[in-house]
Amino acid sequence: DSGVTQTPKHLITATGQRVTLRCSPRSGDLSVYWYQQSLDQGLQFLIQYYNGEERAKGNILERFSAQQFPDLHSELNLSSLELGDSALYFCASSGAGWAQYFGPGTRLLVL
Amino acid sequence: AQKITQTQPGMFVQEKEAVTLDCTYDTSDPSYGLFWYKQPSSGEMIFLIYQGSYDQQNATEGRYSLNFQKARKSANLVISASQLGDSAMYFCAMRAPNSNSGYALNFGKGTSLLVTP
Repeated sequence: DSGVTQTPKHLITATGQRVTLRCSPRSGDLSVYWYQQSLDQGLQFLIQYYNGEERAKGNILERFSAQQFPDLHSELNLSSLELGDSALYFCASSGAGWAQYFGPGTRLLVL
Repeated sequence: AQKITQTQPGMFVQEKEAVTLDCTYDTSDPSYGLFWYKQPSSGEMIFLIYQGSYDQQNATEGRYSLNFQKARKSANLVISASQLGDSAMYFCAMRAPNSNSGYALNFGKGTSLLVTP
C-alpha cells in the first residue's frame, strides 16, 4: 500500500459526459502528479500541483483540468469525454525525496 | 529532450534465476533520477528502486538492484532469485528538471516479465 488513495476505482460513462477523479496523497506529501496510461500512448504526465499551486503541465488536453485543495487532496476533471479518453488514470505524490508513490488508479471507460 | 528506452518488450525467466531488464536514457541535464516501477496485472504501479545521477554506488533494495552505468547512460534492473509473483510489467522512468514538465516522470514503454516454474 503506497498510502495514496484514489476514487473511484472504476468509472463507466458515455461520450460527452464529465467526470471527476479524486486523489489523496500520502500524509505529508505536498506534490501531486496526474498521469494517464493508455495502450497507444503509454504512461503520460498530465499535470502537477504543489501545495495548492499548479507547478507543471504535460500533455493535458484543454478539456481536462485539475486542482489541489487546502487539505492537499486533488481532483482531475475530464469533460466532453471521447472514446479515446478511456484509460487508467494515476495520481502520484512525492515529498522531500525524489520518489513518486502511485495510487491504485482509476480505470475510465467511455462508451 | 529526455528519453527512456526499454528495448525488451517481453522476457521469460525461470523461477529462482536472476534476470536483467534493460533501460537506456538520454538527457543533457547533469542532475537526474532513475526509477523502476512494477505493474502487476491488477494495475497498480509499485515503486521498486531509485538511483540518483550523483550516487556513487548502485542502488539495491532486497532482491532488486540497479546496474547504473553513467557513461553508457544505462540503468538496468536486476532481479535476483525470481519468484512467480515477479511476473508483471516493469517500467523504467527518469526524472530530470524540465522547464515544461517540472519534475514529472518520463516513462519507457515497459518490459513484460514472465516467471515460469
